[in-house]
Amino acid sequence: GAGVSQSPSNKVTEKGKDVELRCDPISGHTALYWYRQSLGQGLEFLIYFQGNSAPDKSGLPSDRFSAERTGGSVSTLTIQRTQQEDSAVYLCASSLGLPGAGNTIYFGEGSWLTVV
Amino acid sequence: EDQVTQSPEALRLQEGESSSLNCSYTVSGLRGLFWYRQDPGKGPEFLFTLYSAGEEKEKERLKATLTKKESFLHITAPKPEDSATYLCAVTGGSEKLVFGKGTKLTVNP
Repeated sequence: GAGVSQSPSNKVTEKGKDVELRCDPISGHTALYWYRQSLGQGLEFLIYFQGNSAPDKSGLPSDRFSAERTGGSVSTLTIQRTQQEDSAVYLCASSLGLPGAGNTIYFGEGSWLTVV
Repeated sequence: EDQVTQSPEALRLQEGESSSLNCSYTVSGLRGLFWYRQDPGKGPEFLFTLYSAGEEKEKERLKATLTKKESFLHITAPKPEDSATYLCAVTGGSEKLVFGKGTKLTVNP
């Protein structure tokens, strides 16, 4: 597709369950980001993948959160034992390279997660 | 630690009433400042990137400017369809963008 694709667009899950969120970046983009946006808050960085380099996981809030990127393309964000405070919009983004090197970061529409 | 503060949090304008949104930042070695527009229930949509103080960029009714401490997004003669949340972000030595909380703009007809 032409843009960053995320699925599911909406997910309601029970507290304590595990969830997986998927991201298909723009074809050819080597950099992939996950951000979280809670109600009334700014975008919070979670994790960054660039090519074959080790991911920058510095924004993951706890060890319940993990992400992987297979084949340098599709990425999955997994939240284990979900808590109510995990309710947020999870946004995926991709770019050709580093944003400071003249590359634009493009966002998907997000996956809305509600933990009940 | 990189920080971005946007003001005001919310702005209500009448159609045709020009104004400016502010983005103040603290970053070690600015590599880029970004403006995005976000509509309700949607992902952020890229508007501009500015790289150095004094740089300006325009798109339709929007003009972004940059100094060493802040950026302004000027909106000239806004229309109701300009209503959205405008997000500012910076990148320094790291690869990630640090975002402000945004300014929610409402333009009344």
